[in-house]
Amino acid sequence: QKEVEQDPGPLSVPEGAIVSLNCTYSNSAFQYFMWYRQYSRKGPELLMYTYSSGNKEDGRFTAQVDKSSKYISLFIRDSQPSDSATYLCAMSIFGNEKLTFGTGTRLTIIP
Amino acid sequence: DSGVTQTPKHLITATGQRVTLRCSPRSGDLSVYWYQQSLDQGLQFLIQYYNGEERAKGNILERFSAQQFPDLHSELNLSSLELGDSALYFCASSPRSQSTDTQYFGPGTRLTVL
Repeated sequence: QKEVEQDPGPLSVPEGAIVSLNCTYSNSAFQYFMWYRQYSRKGPELLMYTYSSGNKEDGRFTAQVDKSSKYISLFIRDSQPSDSATYLCAMSIFGNEKLTFGTGTRLTIIP
Repeated sequence: DSGVTQTPKHLITATGQRVTLRCSPRSGDLSVYWYQQSLDQGLQFLIQYYNGEERAKGNILERFSAQQFPDLHSELNLSSLELGDSALYFCASSPRSQSTDTQYFGPGTRLTVL
């Protein structure tokens, strides 16, 4: 079993819809949680970074962490065609900079 | 543009060969990370260097090695290449060596082993 599980999709939604992306993890030592966005043929870029359980909002993006359930989510409101990309969750342990990634969810926003 | 550069963009080679991938971190960043991205395994951490010293090792094969030079650029050497080594190789950099540091990824090198 992988430490981080993520549904690979693909996921297609109409423009303007709310998108929900999720990851589950098995290692309770993970303390830092990130969402990266990767466009085709590009490197991943950091979207959101959270440390504790709860919600963090940045514009149209909301990251949610539930440590008791070992479950993290990324919500995208008012989705745009430019949001079409692969979204990767990533996690790390305190004192260890190694990032453990999910396999990524490929998202397409249909105009 | 993350500020991290990687060369070459594409590399096509044959089994049994050796290649070197190069990474220049963002200005001022001391840590360099190497990751391998394949379709079946996703993005996997290989190795980290901090200010010239190896800091952490992940799922890096013995046929692979890396180093970070005094000017902080890094090279990943892949030898005795196999078909299964075909993948995207990403370099990332961060200012220090702390869990809270953001890692900035380069555009990657696409390696194809024939």
